[in-house]
Amino acid sequence: QKEVEQDPGPLSVPEGAIVSLNCTYSNSAFQYFMWYRQYSRKGPELLMYTYSSGNKEDGRFTAQVDKSSKYISLFIRDSQPSDSATYLCAIYTGRRALTFGSGTRLQVQP
Amino acid sequence: KAGVTQTPRYLIKTRGQQVTLSCSPISGHRSVSWYQQTPGQGLQFLFEYFSETQRNKGNFPGRFSGRQFSNSRSEMNVSTLELGDSALYLCASSFGQGESSPLHFGNGTRLTVT
Repeated sequence: QKEVEQDPGPLSVPEGAIVSLNCTYSNSAFQYFMWYRQYSRKGPELLMYTYSSGNKEDGRFTAQVDKSSKYISLFIRDSQPSDSATYLCAIYTGRRALTFGSGTRLQVQP
Repeated sequence: KAGVTQTPRYLIKTRGQQVTLSCSPISGHRSVSWYQQTPGQGLQFLFEYFSETQRNKGNFPGRFSGRQFSNSRSEMNVSTLELGDSALYLCASSFGQGESSPLHFGNGTRLTVT
């Protein structure tokens, strides 16, 4: 079983829709969770960083961690064409090494 | 504040050659990590440096090595290049060494091995 699993998509939604992106992980001891956005030919850009359980909101983005289910989510409200990118979940899985999900490609249609 | 800077952006090398990639972290950041990104394997951890010392290494052969200088800048070296080394190599920096410091990535060096 992989330590971090993510549905690769692609996911296509109309502009203005609410987008839900999800990852599952294997070890309940993991504490630090991140979401990155990666545009074509660019490096990953940090969107959200959360510790332990709960929700964190930043503008149109909400990150949610459910430790009991070992499930993390990123919600994007009022999605825009500029949100079209690959979204990567990442978890610190020990000794400062990030383990990434495979990434979900999102396309927001105007 | 300038972000993480990686040079060069693109490289084309031949099998058997060696290559050196360079990374300048965000000002004030002391930890530098390297990751390899390929379509098949995704993002994989190579190694992390803090205060000029390698603190952790991923599951890559010894042909992959790195170092960090006193100004926190880092270089990564790959010797005896193989076709499978073609990838996007990403450098990331963080302020501290602990897991409470998230990583900030550069735009990478695209290495093509022919």
